[in-house]
Amino acid sequence: QSALTQPRSVSGSPGQSVTISCTGTSSDVGGYNYVSWYQHHPGKAPKVMIYDVNERPSGVPDRISGSKSGNTASLTISGLQAEDEADYYCCSRAGTYSLVFGGGTKLTVL
Amino acid sequence: EVQVVESGGGLVQPGGSLRLSCAVSGFPFSHHTMSWVRQAPGRGLEWVAKIKEDGSEKYYVDSVKGRFTISRDNAEKSLNLQMHSLRVEDTAVYFCATGGLRYLGNWGQGTLVTVSS
Repeated sequence: QSALTQPRSVSGSPGQSVTISCTGTSSDVGGYNYVSWYQHHPGKAPKVMIYDVNERPSGVPDRISGSKSGNTASLTISGLQAEDEADYYCCSRAGTYSLVFGGGTKLTVL
Repeated sequence: EVQVVESGGGLVQPGGSLRLSCAVSGFPFSHHTMSWVRQAPGRGLEWVAKIKEDGSEKYYVDSVKGRFTISRDNAEKSLNLQMHSLRVEDTAVYFCATGGLRYLGNWGQGTLVTVSS
């Protein structure tokens, strides 16, 4: 199972919006509505930001959103804040039994 | 508050064995699938294994099949990963997480496994 494809890095200024893409295949992203996104500050526990493509867990602000079109999922962060600077990973169900992650995207807030 | 705490990492020689543990509190452990995920140095996250609520079904990424065994003790609210025949490429931070195919809701900070001679 190949990793999902994400840009290695994105950046934006405070208050701006950024979108991170996550491209897979019809066997993972395109085949299931089980796409999730995780924020990871190195050395800390990863945190789920989006699940089921576009659902937010309680406590995640509504300036964080997710979407999917075909084999590509996207995470959009609006109103960028300094604390958003982190690594972001997409993840998808991949077949009957397994999960596959993206390679990760480093978000820099300028 | 949900707490997930991994332990058991360390330095091991190639071909050696190690057992990781994960303690969970503040969460209905016995009602949920549990997973292990790892992150090699400078690399992204990789799903390793998952186990069903009652331990009846276990699944692994191809690269660890036959070498790693996931298990759980619902009475103790603990998850384990027994690792044998370790390889240099198994070097990673290993995370325990609640959940399975849908999403991984609660994670620990991880425990570092280093495989080196």
